[in-house]
Amino acid sequence: AQSVSQHNHHVILSEAASLELGCNYSYGGTVNLFWYVQYPGQHLQLLLKYFSGDPLVKGIKGFEAEFIKSKFSFNLRKPSVQWSDTAEYFCAVNAGNNRKLIWGLGTSLAVNP
Amino acid sequence: GAGVSQSPSNKVTEKGKDVELRCDPISGHTALYWYRQRLGQGLEFLIYFQGNSAPDKSGLPSDRFSAERTGESVSTLTIQRTQQEDSAVYLCASSLGSAGSQETQYFGPGTRLLVL
Repeated sequence: AQSVSQHNHHVILSEAASLELGCNYSYGGTVNLFWYVQYPGQHLQLLLKYFSGDPLVKGIKGFEAEFIKSKFSFNLRKPSVQWSDTAEYFCAVNAGNNRKLIWGLGTSLAVNP
Repeated sequence: GAGVSQSPSNKVTEKGKDVELRCDPISGHTALYWYRQRLGQGLEFLIYFQGNSAPDKSGLPSDRFSAERTGESVSTLTIQRTQQEDSAVYLCASSLGSAGSQETQYFGPGTRLLVL
């Protein structure tokens, strides 16, 4: 069965620190990869997604993620975090033409001012 | 334009009662999805609608769970004879429906269900 692993459950950073959140998936075929974010009191919203082309994708608010097929990974990065990045971050995958998303457990990020 | 809306925002019920959860997708979105998130767990897929039909209902955990969609719009998720393990946040999402599995799914605020 497909699964998604997010390695960091809780991350605490100071402002201006760099961020990298890990995401690995288990599926050998074609995948579409997503990072969603949930800010406190708000809905889940898309940060970025990858389905083909350049494996380095850029999203909103300065976030980017790199798809490394050989490592089954799609890590999220941001060079310099801000207090407003405090949120829950979710990695999700769907396989081929299957619309259902398989989700990681999420990473709670707290950025101290 | 309006986003995905869900009602009620919170529901407390007694074990054994039936509950109905409602989702209003973004206007024009033909695809609609239900997920649930139990405490400490990731989101679990429940069912997907394309128009009024459900090509994938593989995530419904038991026959106590059912969902319908009418008019290619509103969807209702019904849980019969609720159990304490049904306590969760139930999330609805919608997407355009024309671009397949690569589409962004837009989420509503969720319904927090507590079964006592």
